[in-house]
Amino acid sequence: DSGVTQTPKHLITATGQRVTLRCSPRSGDLSVYWYQQSLDQGLQFLIQYYNGEERAKGNILERFSAQQFPDLHSELNLSSLELGDSALYFCASSGRGGWNEKLFFGSGTQLSVL
Amino acid sequence: DAKTTQPPSMDCAEGRAANLPCNHSTISGNEYVYWYRQIHSQGPQYIIHGLKNNETNEMASLIITEDRKSSTLILPHATLRDTAVYYCIVRVANNNDMRFGAGTRLTVKP
Repeated sequence: DSGVTQTPKHLITATGQRVTLRCSPRSGDLSVYWYQQSLDQGLQFLIQYYNGEERAKGNILERFSAQQFPDLHSELNLSSLELGDSALYFCASSGRGGWNEKLFFGSGTQLSVL
Repeated sequence: DAKTTQPPSMDCAEGRAANLPCNHSTISGNEYVYWYRQIHSQGPQYIIHGLKNNETNEMASLIITEDRKSSTLILPHATLRDTAVYYCIVRVANNNDMRFGAGTRLTVKP
């Protein structure tokens, strides 16, 4: 158990809908990362937050947004969903988000868009 | 970040050492080498990381060549539970994201 909690574990929805994925980091960790893993794209870095502020941005679509709340949990919002958004979404956390820190990953949310 | 090259797949016999190579010929002096693995569809798991010295922990050893252009992850006594995709990542100092490549799919066979 990495200590990172993601909910829900599975989510099935329809095209055009909006969903919210939730992540609680390990106790004491201030930084949260979001990744998307689809069969044809591998693990893609989406975005990183540190103590409520966006710190780094990767291949995140404009239809997607994220935030980190004062209690340090984070939410990834996916809107106007398309079939291609079906993927595993992972959250990871680290202490201060520094480059010499290891990331601890949650077990992921499997999103299926029908 | 420096690009890494790994073989797409490797096999290893149970109980033998698994040696997973990674080429990072464009690595810079301030870039760390990280290894993670992903078992089936679980979240990736940290294994080990290093800058220029060889490193060892309870899971594995990391051997980095003197010119730092390549490295090898060694699982000393592979078990069936080590079957996974292994990712080699180089991460530059002061760059906050961590980007994964395609990795090596290691299959440990009985």
